[in-house]
Amino acid sequence: DIQMTQSPSTLSASVGDRVTITCRASQTISFWLAWYQQKPGKAPKLLIYKASTLESGVPSRFSGSGWGTEFTLTISSLQPDDFATYYCQQCSGNSSFGQGTKLEIK
Amino acid sequence: QVQLVQSGAEVKKPGASVKVSCKASGYTFTSYGISWVRQAPGQGLEWMGWITAYNGISYYSEKFQGRVTVTTDTSTSTAYMELRSLRSDDTAVYYCARDRTSTSAPDACDIWGQGTMVTVSS
Repeated sequence: DIQMTQSPSTLSASVGDRVTITCRASQTISFWLAWYQQKPGKAPKLLIYKASTLESGVPSRFSGSGWGTEFTLTISSLQPDDFATYYCQQCSGNSSFGQGTKLEIK
Repeated sequence: QVQLVQSGAEVKKPGASVKVSCKASGYTFTSYGISWVRQAPGQGLEWMGWITAYNGISYYSEKFQGRVTVTTDTSTSTAYMELRSLRSDDTAVYYCARDRTSTSAPDACDIWGQGTMVTVSS
């Protein structure tokens, strides 16, 4: 299985901040990467697929980039509703998730 | 609307098996694959396996290979995940999730079930 490594594990930030989360794959996955947001007790919500395509209905402050083995999720200006845990998922043949990044209020 | 409705919570003893169902509605079941993902209490998401009802092809995580089986019943638009030889560390919420596009391999998932809590305890 391809291993996905997210960093940081925890991120403290304030409303209005620009934040970036990184996801690295143990081997190349082209652009087959998705990002999810999860809140406690809820199922994950798809934010971005194919590394940089915004899912319908997702605010434009979310963006994704990368190709191959290194990817980033950026939130341009944090809103109160954005404090949650974020996961990357590779979908290159098989699939696997990163370990998650918890975004906390500073 | 498009939705996945999962079966209810289960309590199992170590060594037993559990079979979780995921009933799809609002779309053509055979056009999209279904992934199974679990989440232990306080832990991250773990991908377990995938199946397409179109032709029954499935993929599994190496971690679960041989212990998990995913199947579909096209007559009822239902997907199933069976996990055998349960251990206490299999205690988790199990999710089914639909691919966002019609593909021949796992894809990003845009529709998720509500989750099924499986507790393994003696």
